[in-house]
Formats: sequence, structure tokens, C-alpha cells
Amino acid sequence: GENVEQHPSTLSVQEGDSAVIKCTYSDSASNYFPWYKQELGKRPQLIIDIRSNVGEKKDQRIAVTLNKTAKHFSLHITETQPEDSAVYFCAATPVTGGGNKLTFGTGTQLKVEL
Amino acid sequence: DTEVTQTPKHLVMGMTNKKSLKCEQHMGHRAMYWYKQKAKKPPELMFVYSYEKLSINESVPSRFSPECPNSSLLNLHLHALQPEDSALYLCASSPVMGQAYGYTFGSGTRLTVV
Repeated sequence: GENVEQHPSTLSVQEGDSAVIKCTYSDSASNYFPWYKQELGKRPQLIIDIRSNVGEKKDQRIAVTLNKTAKHFSLHITETQPEDSAVYFCAATPVTGGGNKLTFGTGTQLKVEL
Repeated sequence: DTEVTQTPKHLVMGMTNKKSLKCEQHMGHRAMYWYKQKAKKPPELMFVYSYEKLSINESVPSRFSPECPNSSLLNLHLHALQPEDSALYLCASSPVMGQAYGYTFGSGTRLTVV
């Protein structure tokens, strides 16, 4: 089955700096990679996703890059703000088949300090 | 309606109690999921329903019993739980089981077993 590793487990940045979170996956059948933001006591919310036919995707201050050969993908947040503080989870799954089983990384606690 | 609604939001139950968690969506999604999330950990898949039929059971103990009465509702019946079952229980849905896009999580039920 799929195994997703995520680093770092905690990340502290100053407001306005950039933050990068990295994930690696093991199953070459995985071709859909969503990122979720989870604030304390709340649901995981999809913030961006990428499919394996695309190398990079950007949405305002958030971008995701994918290296299929190396089986790793990264989340980039620029101009961080205090409201970006949360736990971020990467995930991987085959788009079709695989039971839509999202395999999550272990999470990154991001703290944006004033 | 683009939400997955879970009730109750909080539940405290004794080890001999029987209780049920409820999940509802009106997005026309035909795949529904139960996840369990412990503090500071990623969500772990428990069950997947596709077109109201159980498709995946991730070797969950029988004290957890899922039910899908119709395409909009998903229940999780609880009986004889242990304190270690205390966690956030998340329901999710997606358009169909063979499609990973459009995965939406509910806000969860925070369960405490005493």
C-alpha cells in the first residue's frame, strides 16, 4: 500500500516569510495529491491539489510542486500570515481505483509568529 | 449545499453505552467515508461506502458498526467502546468511489469514552 512521509513535523516562521513542507510517497500508482489545512478543533479543509500530469500549480500565496520521478511533492506558502497557523497534511491516492483511500502524511504544525 | 454535516459535535459515553454518530450530505455524492483522528495525528480510514454498499472495512473492531440507510446518510453505531477509542470521528464524501476529486470532510464528532 501507499506510504506518505512528511517533513518537517513543526515549522515556525516569521510573518511575511515563506514556508515549505515536503512529502514523499511510495506507490507509483498514486496520481492525485491534495493538501489539507486543519485548524485546531476543525475539519481538514482542502487548500490545493495537484494531479500527476502537472508539475506545478499555484493559487494566490499557495503553490504545490510535484516531482513524479523522485516521488515527492511540496507545499509552498509565501508571505505567511498569522491565520496560516495550522496543521497541514499532505495526502496521496490513485485518482481511479484504490477505493479513494487518502493516505495522509503525518502532518506539519505551522506557526506564523508576529 | 456543499457541506457534510455531522451530529453530534461532542459525545461522552460510558463503556457500556450504545450511541450513534450521524453524517449527512446533499451534494449527490455516492461515496462516503468514516475516518478516525487522534490528537496530532492524521485521519485514519475506517470504512468506505459506495452506492450505499460497504466497499472497504479497514479491519475495524466490531464495536464500530457502520450503516448507510440511503445515498445521503451515513451512520456509525458504537457499542462497548474502550477509552482508547476516544478521538475525533470524521465523515467525508466524494462524488463517486472511483474519483478522488471533490473529497469533502465534515466537522467531526469529538468522542470521549469514559
